[in-house]
Amino acid sequence: ETGVTQSPTHLIKTRGQQVTLRCSSQSGHNTVSWYQQALGQGPQFIFQYYREEENGRGNFPPRFSGLQFPNYSSELNVNALELDDSALYLCASSPTSGGTGELFFGEGSRLTVL
Amino acid sequence: GENVEQHPSTLSVQEGDSAVIKCTYSDSASNYFPWYKQELGKRPQLIIDIRSNVGEKKDQRIAVTLNKTAKHFSLHITETQPEDSAVYFCAATDNYGQNFVFGPGTRLSVLP
Repeated sequence: ETGVTQSPTHLIKTRGQQVTLRCSSQSGHNTVSWYQQALGQGPQFIFQYYREEENGRGNFPPRFSGLQFPNYSSELNVNALELDDSALYLCASSPTSGGTGELFFGEGSRLTVL
Repeated sequence: GENVEQHPSTLSVQEGDSAVIKCTYSDSASNYFPWYKQELGKRPQLIIDIRSNVGEKKDQRIAVTLNKTAKHFSLHITETQPEDSAVYFCAATDNYGQNFVFGPGTRLSVLP
């Protein structure tokens, strides 16, 4: 069984640039959620994708967008980067959208915005 | 929306002692409460969870208690070991399971 993998692991961008982060969900999982974890804080929900559709969104502006592909992998796109976007971005997959259960996290992509 | 508070923010205990971390939540619709452990530079991993129809759950040295009336839940670690040192996050969500709201975390240090 393959776990959740994310790429890249680290990246540095400058203000105003755009970034794309990628996530491969755990085998058998059809739901992917993205979280932002600022230094010293808990993860904050960005959005969730289920069957290629956005299925819930947290309090993040529209410049945060995403995609889910037929193989359930996902991308997080952030436009017009701001300094406060510097954080660890965590992808988590789960076997279903409805109901409750364990989130399986990837190792994260650490984004630094200069 | 849901708001989860967590205390203390840091906790140091001697090896072998017990550690208790407390969380409160605001949304009475929340009915699933997981606890995640995040070691330095690692991914968060689920260590125990509890659903609203249960008051207490144990797994070896770890236990979680839930008081739905007071809207608080706690993590108890007994006989702490150095490998328990990590940041612990509580979270709450409702039946839709879309939005897990995490607490700010507790940094536990187990001193040898």
